[in-house]
Amino acid sequence: GEDVEQSLFLSVREGDSSVINCTYTDSSSTYLYWYKQEPGAGLQLLTYIFSNMDMKQDQRLTVLLNKKDKHLSLRIADTQTGDSAIYFCAESKRGSQGNLIFGKGTKLSVKP
Amino acid sequence: EPEVTQTPSHQVTQMGQEVILRCVPISNHLYFYWYRQILGQKVEFLVSFYNNEISEKSEIFDDQFSVERPDGSNFTLKIRSTKLEDSAMYFCASDTKGLASYNEQFFGPGTRLTVL
Repeated sequence: GEDVEQSLFLSVREGDSSVINCTYTDSSSTYLYWYKQEPGAGLQLLTYIFSNMDMKQDQRLTVLLNKKDKHLSLRIADTQTGDSAIYFCAESKRGSQGNLIFGKGTKLSVKP
Repeated sequence: EPEVTQTPSHQVTQMGQEVILRCVPISNHLYFYWYRQILGQKVEFLVSFYNNEISEKSEIFDDQFSVERPDGSNFTLKIRSTKLEDSAMYFCASDTKGLASYNEQFFGPGTRLTVL
């Protein structure tokens, strides 16, 4: 069945780059997403990538997709303390009307 | 900026009681969703709703669950007879197009349900 896996924790120093990794199993996924959850808040879409793309850059965020290995990563350049949050990888399936499949989330801690 | 709101933020109930979790989606959105996250587990899809009917549901969404859009603005999730294992954070989400193409689902802040 479908599954999305992420490491649970990542700790970096302010100003360094953060790389959060995710693997997924469903090769029919059409879009892959990164959501951010700050304490007490809902999930906020950070960025997404269509499955026929390899890379997408959006300001400090870079998404890399290796479709052969079913591996997705999110790189945050110049990580700030405000980036501390839980980051969820998610995938959607062709023809689905809402079934986003999430990973457990990676808690990013940024130390000053 | 428009946002999805959910009430209450925290609901405590006794096992076997009925609960209704409420959501107000963004006003021009057409597709509505419920997800849940048991503590330490993944965010899991429960159900999607469009045009006043369920369009997709997961195995979790059994006969104890129901959804309704009673008045054109609220979107509710009812659990008829709560079990201990229903304790979780429940997220409502909405969007304009469903997932036929890229579309951003906007999530509410969640309702933490605790079943004692």
